[in-house]
Amino acid sequence: AQTVTQSQPEMSVQEAETVTLSCTYDTSENNYYLFWYKQPPSRQMILVIRQEAYKQQNATENRFSVNFQKAAKSFSLKISDSQLGDTAMYFCAFVIIQGAQKLVFGQGTRLTINP
Amino acid sequence: DAGVIQSPRHEVTEMGQEVTLRCKPISGHDYLFWYRQTMMRGLELLIYFNNNVPIDDSGMPEDRFSAKMPNASFSTLKIQPSEPRDSAVYFCASSLSYQPQHFGDGTRLSIL
Repeated sequence: AQTVTQSQPEMSVQEAETVTLSCTYDTSENNYYLFWYKQPPSRQMILVIRQEAYKQQNATENRFSVNFQKAAKSFSLKISDSQLGDTAMYFCAFVIIQGAQKLVFGQGTRLTINP
Repeated sequence: DAGVIQSPRHEVTEMGQEVTLRCKPISGHDYLFWYRQTMMRGLELLIYFNNNVPIDDSGMPEDRFSAKMPNASFSTLKIQPSEPRDSAVYFCASSLSYQPQHFGDGTRLSIL
C-alpha cells in the first residue's frame, strides 16, 4: 500500500523562527515525485515545493527547503524565517511516475506562526 | 493564466436535492481530478479523467455521485439525491502528466 504519514498534527512557532515539518511515505516504486502543498485558512491548495525522487539534490524555493532521504523514505519541509502568512495546513504528497496519476496525501500538519 | 475555476464557491441545499458542482481546468491540462475534503477523512480522491475519459472512479462513494467531462474545458460532479453526510469541501484540480496538480478554490457544500 502507498501511504504518507505526517506525525505532527499541529505545530506552533514564533515569527522569524525556523520550523521543520516531518513526512514519511511508503511505496515499493522507485520513481516518483514528492510535493508539499499549503492550505491557508482561505482553503486554497497551493503548491509549495516539489522534489523528483531521482534527484539527490534537495529542492529549495526561497525560504522553503526539503530534506529528502530516499532510503529512509523521508521528506521533511523546512521553513526558514517563518512569517505570519505561513500559517496554514501543510500536506505532504507523492505520485508514482508511469503509474496512476493519483496523488497520495498525508493527513496534514496544522502550522501556526505566532507574532 | 487563469487557474482552475470552480463554481459555486458555496452551496447550501436541503437533503434530497440534486447538487451540481462545476469545474473549468487550466487550458492545456490533460488531467482533471475531483477531491472531497472533510475533517474526519482528510482529502479523498473521488475520480480523475485523462483527455476527458474517466480513468479511475474507485473513490466515488456511491451511486448517488456521478462525474462527467464533456469536453476539455468543463467538468461536473453531481450528487443526487444529496444527504447531510455529503457536506464537505469539494476540490477540482488539473495537471499535465506527472506535473503538480493545480487546485481550484473549492466548493463548500452544506446539506441541511
